[in-house]
Amino acid sequence: RKEVEQDPGPFNVPEGATVAFNCTYSNSASQSFFWYRQDCRKEPKLLMSVYSSGNEDGRFTAQLNRASQYISLLIRDSKLSDSATYLCVVNRGSNNNDMRFGAGTRLTVKP
Amino acid sequence: DAGVTQSPTHLIKTRGQHVTLRCSPISGHKSVSWYQQVLGQGPQFIFQYYEKEERGRGNFPDRFSARQFPNYSSELNVNALLLGDSALYLCASSTRGTTTDTQYFGPGTRLTVL
Repeated sequence: RKEVEQDPGPFNVPEGATVAFNCTYSNSASQSFFWYRQDCRKEPKLLMSVYSSGNEDGRFTAQLNRASQYISLLIRDSKLSDSATYLCVVNRGSNNNDMRFGAGTRLTVKP
Repeated sequence: DAGVTQSPTHLIKTRGQHVTLRCSPISGHKSVSWYQQVLGQGPQFIFQYYEKEERGRGNFPDRFSARQFPNYSSELNVNALLLGDSALYLCASSTRGTTTDTQYFGPGTRLTVL
């Protein structure tokens, strides 16, 4: 079993749709959690950190459930520019950046 | 400000050869991490360095080694290349390399092993 698992998709949605991605992780000692976005043949870029209380950044909402070892990302009012691969990232280090990435979920937003 | 830079951008090698990849972190960042991303997968952690010391190592063979220089730039070395080493090699930098630090990725070096 992979340490970080995501539904690979692809998710094909129309503009304006709401889409949700889920991610599970296996290491209960994981320290911090992130969503990164990666465009085709580009480097990953931080989308948002994920906190236990849940956090929102504009159209994006991230949630963490430590008990279930589950992370989610909700995108509201999808834009064409949201088309990308979304990577769930779990940092299992105590004092280092031992970041474990999921394989990513591919999103395509269509007109 | 300049972001993380990596060189070269592309590289083609043959099996058994050696390769050196280079990374310059964002100014003021003291931690550098290396990742390997195979097509269709997420990046896999190889190494983290902070203040020239290795702070973390992923599950990679001893053919992979790295170092960090006094100016915080870093090199990743891979010996005895295998076909399976073909991948995008990403470098990321952060200020202190702790669990909550944001990592910023460079554009990567695309290595092809023939």
